Amino acid sequence: LAKTTQPISMDSYEGQEVNITCSHNNIATNDYITWYQQFPSQGPRFIIQGYKTKVTNEVASLFIPADRKSSTLSLPRVSLSDTAVYYCLVGGYNQGGKLIFGQGTELSVKP
Amino acid sequence: EAGVTQFPSHSVIEKGQTVTLRCDPISGHDNLYWYRRVMGKEIKFLLHFVKESKQDESGMPNNRFLAERTGGTYSTLKVQPAELEDSGVYFCASSPHTREGPFTVSYEQYFGPGTRLTVT
Repeated sequence: LAKTTQPISMDSYEGQEVNITCSHNNIATNDYITWYQQFPSQGPRFIIQGYKTKVTNEVASLFIPADRKSSTLSLPRVSLSDTAVYYCLVGGYNQGGKLIFGQGTELSVKP
Repeated sequence: EAGVTQFPSHSVIEKGQTVTLRCDPISGHDNLYWYRRVMGKEIKFLLHFVKESKQDESGMPNNRFLAERTGGTYSTLKVQPAELEDSGVYFCASSPHTREGPFTVSYEQYFGPGTRLTVT
């Protein structure tokens, strides 16, 4: 299973764009890249998933370079409510869908 | 649509006692997962049900943990007897997707709020 590395913490201010980069050098051909968000006292919440290039939804964008050894989660114009832990996960269909969590990135958005 | 619910939200028991955690997945979701985070550690997978069958229980720590999903609806996770190191937050998640093959898998799982278990 591909291991992921991401910054332990990041600080930002309201209205800024935040980019969180995750390294996954050993990603396999059939692995997907998935990001989850977790607020205190809640379970993780799915944000976005991608395989290659760029994926965008109403919450975030996910940029994946051609070699797929890293990925960047982009949060446009963050607000205080975006303060949370963000997890980058990598996995393939042969895992049966189970999620492998790393330590995550604790994002703190300040006014 | 109701989300994943877990009961209780918090349980405090003494070492050696038994505790049963319950998870009600989103209606119609065949896949049900249990995860837990112990203090200071990462969220770890425990097991995966597809309907009432255990698909993968490779993450279960030992035989003091027993998970069931009778009828393929709600699931229970029993810890008997509880030990101090079992303290942590136990999450349940469900998803409607089954494994289909390369390039067609969704990793979107819907998590419950968790049950915080404290063993004293």
